[in-house]
Amino acid sequence: GENVEQHPSTLSVQEGDSAVIKCTYSDSASNYFPWYKQELGKGPQLIIDIRSNVGEKKDQRIAVTLNKTAKHFSLHITETQPEDSAVYFCAASTIKGAQKLVFGQGTRLTINP
Amino acid sequence: DGGITQSPKYLFRKEGQNVTLSCEQNLNHDAMYWYRQDPGQGLRLIYYSQIVNDFQKGDIAEGYSVSREKKESFPLTVTSAQKNPTAFYLCASGRTGLGEASYEQYFGPGTRLTVT
Repeated sequence: GENVEQHPSTLSVQEGDSAVIKCTYSDSASNYFPWYKQELGKGPQLIIDIRSNVGEKKDQRIAVTLNKTAKHFSLHITETQPEDSAVYFCAASTIKGAQKLVFGQGTRLTINP
Repeated sequence: DGGITQSPKYLFRKEGQNVTLSCEQNLNHDAMYWYRQDPGQGLRLIYYSQIVNDFQKGDIAEGYSVSREKKESFPLTVTSAQKNPTAFYLCASGRTGLGEASYEQYFGPGTRLTVT
C-alpha cells in the first residue's frame, strides 16, 4: 500500500522568511496530494491541494509543487507570519472510488517573531 | 451554518467499556471517514463509507465498529477489543464522483478519548 514520508518533523523559521516542507510517496498510482494545517486541539484544515496533472499550484503565500517522476511533493510558505505556526500534514490518495488519504507524520512549524 | 460536528470534545471511559463517538455533517456529502491520531503522528484511517448502509474497513479497523443509517451521520464505536483506545478521533466527509471538488475531505473538530 501507499506510504508517505514527511520531513522535517520540526521546523523553526524567522517571521518573514520562507518555510519548505517535503513529502515523498511510494505508490505511483497516487494522483491527489492535499496539505492540511492543524492547530492545537483542532481538526485539520485543508489549505491547498494538487492533482497529478499539474506540477505547481499557488494560493497567495502558499504553493505546492509536485514531481511525479521522483514521487515527491513540497509545501512552500513565503513571508511567514506568527499565525502560520501549526502542525502541517501532507497526504496522498489513489482515487479509486473513495479518497483514502494516507498521511505523513506531520511537521511542527514555529514562526519566531 | 454548514459543517461537521463531533461530540463530545472530551470523553473519558473505564477500560472494558464500549464507547460511541458521534459525527454529524450537513454538507450533503456522500462519503464519511473516521481517522485516529496519536501524539506526534499522522492520521490513520479506521473506517469509511461512500453511501448509506455501506462501509469499508480502513487500515486499523480492529476493535472498532461503525454504522451508516443516515447520510448525515457516521457514529464510531470503540469496543473493549481495541487494545490502545486512548487517542484523538477525527471524522471527515467529502464528495464522491467526478469533478474538481470531489477529492477534498473536510474534518470535524475531533473527540479526545481517554480510557483508564
